[in-house]
Amino acid sequence: AQSVSQHNHHVILSEAASLELGCNYSYGGTVNLFWYVQYPGQHLQLLLKYFSGDPLVKGIKGFEAEFIKSKFSFNLRKPSVHWSDAAEYFCAVGARYALNFGKGTSLLVTP
Amino acid sequence: EAGVAQSPRYKIIEKRQSVAFWCNPISGHATLYWYQQILGQGPKLLIQFQNNGVVDDSQLPKDRFSAERLKGVDSTLKIQPAKLEDSAVYLCASSSTAGTQYFGPGTRLLVL
Repeated sequence: AQSVSQHNHHVILSEAASLELGCNYSYGGTVNLFWYVQYPGQHLQLLLKYFSGDPLVKGIKGFEAEFIKSKFSFNLRKPSVHWSDAAEYFCAVGARYALNFGKGTSLLVTP
Repeated sequence: EAGVAQSPRYKIIEKRQSVAFWCNPISGHATLYWYQQILGQGPKLLIQFQNNGVVDDSQLPKDRFSAERLKGVDSTLKIQPAKLEDSAVYLCASSSTAGTQYFGPGTRLLVL
């Protein structure tokens, strides 16, 4: 069965620190990979996605993710976080259409 | 372009009562999804429609949950009777055949 694992449930960073959120999945076939973000009081929004091609994907607000097929990983990165990046981040994996989500990582950014 | 609309935004009911949620997807999106998000977890797919047909309802507790999308546009999700463990946010999402899902604001349900 498909599963998605996010390594950290809570991350606390100082502003301007670099961010890397881990995501690993288990699935035997071709998958589509996503990172969604949920800002406080807002709905889930797509940050970036990978379907095929260049494994380094760039998304909105300076985020990027790298698909490493051999490691079944799709880690999210940002070189320098801003206080406005405080949110819940979800990795999701889809085969065909339906998405299987990880449990989420809550990011807190301190001054 | 209007996003996915959901109503109500909040609902409080007592256990054993019934409740219904409504979703209007992005115009032209053939695929509609209902997810359940329990506090501290990621969304879990309940049911997926393609137009007005069900594609996947394997994780829908069919003894108490039902959903329909009669005209292939709007959808309703119903719980009858509700249990305490149904307290969650119910998310609706839609997508075109390209696959990227767009989510609505969700309905936050509290069962007392």
